[in-house]
Amino acid sequence: GESVGLHLPTLSVQEGDNSIINCAYSNSASDYFIWYKQESGKGPQFIIDIRSNMDKRQGQRVTVLLNKTVKHLSLQIAATQPGDSAVYFCAEGGNTGKLIFGQGTTLQVKP
Amino acid sequence: DSGVTQTPKHLITATGQRVTLRCSPRSGDLSVYWYQQSLDQGLQFLIHYYNGEERAKGNILERFSAQQFPDLHSELNLSSLELGDSALYFCASSVTTGNGYEQYFGPGTRLTVT
Repeated sequence: GESVGLHLPTLSVQEGDNSIINCAYSNSASDYFIWYKQESGKGPQFIIDIRSNMDKRQGQRVTVLLNKTVKHLSLQIAATQPGDSAVYFCAEGGNTGKLIFGQGTTLQVKP
Repeated sequence: DSGVTQTPKHLITATGQRVTLRCSPRSGDLSVYWYQQSLDQGLQFLIHYYNGEERAKGNILERFSAQQFPDLHSELNLSSLELGDSALYFCASSVTTGNGYEQYFGPGTRLTVT
């Protein structure tokens, strides 16, 4: 069935280093993927998205990579800052607009 | 601030009761989505409304129902509540439906069933 999962539950990085958060998806028909950030006590916040006809997309300090061959999605955060500490979710967008979320990876930034 | 508002922020109620959660989408957004977030299930899609009509259903229990009103606000009704219904309930909105339209999430309603 449909599922979007994350490889690691917790990622700890040093402030200033780059972070890479990974995600695997199982529905090869998916054509839209999104990364969300959720801080404690808040709702998910959109970070960046990518369509299946792309393999890379860049935003401000973030890059999303899509490898359709192995059904893998990653989020790269450059020069990680304490404010980046949060839970990160990948999600798969369906035709109806509904999102299927992965379990989430906690990013901890050490000063 | 995403522009999506949800009330109440917290809700504590007893098993067997019924509650209504309210969501106001961002101005101009026609689509409203409801999600449930629990520790063991993560973020789960419940239901989607577009301009007053139901568009998609996810893992929504029969005890739960939702609607979207002409002014585009939405309500999620949870009845015969069980302990396992304790969770965060998020509403999200987007300008229209389909892939590629960013969903903006509200701050959520934390439901505790005792």
